[in-house]
Amino acid sequence: DAGITQSPRHKVTETGTPVTLRCHQTENHRYMYWYRQDPGHGLRLIHYSYGVKDTDKGEVSDGYSVSRSKTEDFLLTLESATSSQTSVYFCAISSTSVEELFFGEGSRLTVL
Amino acid sequence: KNQVEQSPQSLIILEGKNCTLQCNYTVSPFSNLRWYKQDTGRGPVSLTIMTFSENTKSNGRYTATLDADTKQSSLHITASQLSDSASYICVVITGTASKLTFGTGTRLQVTL
Repeated sequence: DAGITQSPRHKVTETGTPVTLRCHQTENHRYMYWYRQDPGHGLRLIHYSYGVKDTDKGEVSDGYSVSRSKTEDFLLTLESATSSQTSVYFCAISSTSVEELFFGEGSRLTVL
Repeated sequence: KNQVEQSPQSLIILEGKNCTLQCNYTVSPFSNLRWYKQDTGRGPVSLTIMTFSENTKSNGRYTATLDADTKQSSLHITASQLSDSASYICVVITGTASKLTFGTGTRLQVTL
């Protein structure tokens, strides 16, 4: 298994509170991604990173920010969580932009 | 709009039987297509990749086909096992990994 660790794996929070999800990789891959997975939808890209401090928006980036200060860590922040952000969040990594994605185990977030 | 449609949404089969999952896409320009397997509570794992010039590719009991003219792919599972119970996700890539379009998946249950 690719060395990807997501934390926390489960979190319950209240509307309006900030939340940060962490993705840590030991593969030294250049590309890192955050996706969300919801029933009835395919995985949707939130943000991705193509290097340290290099990030870009995906298709559902509103309400989310990211940071990548080190190759191995990619943080996803919800500044003020809303119920619509209740979802399962997956981090993924790849060595190049067209190679296979390796996914983490997911972080289940519930916003009450 | 780029779309990936999978059918059926769900499927129940007896252990030892074969099954075929379908994927139709409207993504353009096409680069390649991957099938991922996602066990419950886990992240997706790549099963196979199909490039434009490939028609068939096998990975053990899994055989993927691609018809780039009709924009259809299928995943055939032979002699199913209980461990094949999972969601199978079709993903079409348009050239860079940031431009992936995910299907909503087919949930397969293999029973005794």
